[in-house]
Amino acid sequence: GQQVMQIPQYQHVQEGEDFTTYCNSSTTLSNIQWYKQRPGGHPVFLIQLVKSGEVKKQKRLTFQFGEAKKNSSLHITATQTTDVGTYFCAAIPDRGSTLGRLYFGRGTQLTVWP
Amino acid sequence: NAGVTQTPKFQVLKTGQSMTLQCAQDMNHNSMYWYRQDPGMGLRLIYYSASEGTTDKGEVPNGYNVSRLNKREFSLRLESAAPSQTSVYFCASSGTGYQPQHFGDGTRLSIL
Repeated sequence: GQQVMQIPQYQHVQEGEDFTTYCNSSTTLSNIQWYKQRPGGHPVFLIQLVKSGEVKKQKRLTFQFGEAKKNSSLHITATQTTDVGTYFCAAIPDRGSTLGRLYFGRGTQLTVWP
Repeated sequence: NAGVTQTPKFQVLKTGQSMTLQCAQDMNHNSMYWYRQDPGMGLRLIYYSASEGTTDKGEVPNGYNVSRLNKREFSLRLESAAPSQTSVYFCASSGTGYQPQHFGDGTRLSIL
C-alpha cells in the first residue's frame, strides 16, 4: 500500500531557531496536506499543495511541493513556543486512491525551548 | 457549529468487554473516518465511509466494526476489547473530493 515517510521523528530547537520536516513518497502524489496537532489536542488542517513545485507561505511557515510531486517540506522560520506540537503530512496518491482517503506520515514532534 | 463530536472522551474497559465509540458531524460532509493514534505511529486509518451507506476497511481494521448510521453519524465498535486496542481514537469528516479532514477531540481508551 501507499507509504509516506516523514523525517525527522523528533526535533528539539531553541526558540528563534528554524525547523524543517520532510515528507517523501515512492510514488507520485496527486496532492498533499499538512496538519498540526498540539499536545493533548487533535490534528488541525494547515494547508494543501496541489501543483508541482508549489510554494505556499503562512506567516513564518513555508510549505513546498516537489517538482516530481513525490516529496514535500514544511519550514518554520524563527520558531516560537506556540509552534510546539506534532506536524503531519498527509498524501493523496495520484492513482487508485479512494476519494478523500489520506495516507498520513508518522509525524514530526517539535519541542521548542524558551 | 460543533464540528465533529466524539463520545465518550475517556473510557476504561476490561479485556473482553465491548463498547461503541460515537461520532457525529454537523458539516453535511459525505466522508467520515476512524483513526487510532499510538505513540510514534502517527494516525492509522481503521475504517472509513466515503458516503452514507458505504464503509471500507483501512490500514488496521481487525477487531473493529463500524456503522454509518446516517449522513451525520459514524460509530466504531469494539466487540471484545484487547489491551492492544488501548489508544487514542479520532473520528474525522471531510467534504467531497480532497477537502481537508476535520477531527473530533478524540476518545482516550484504556483496556486493562
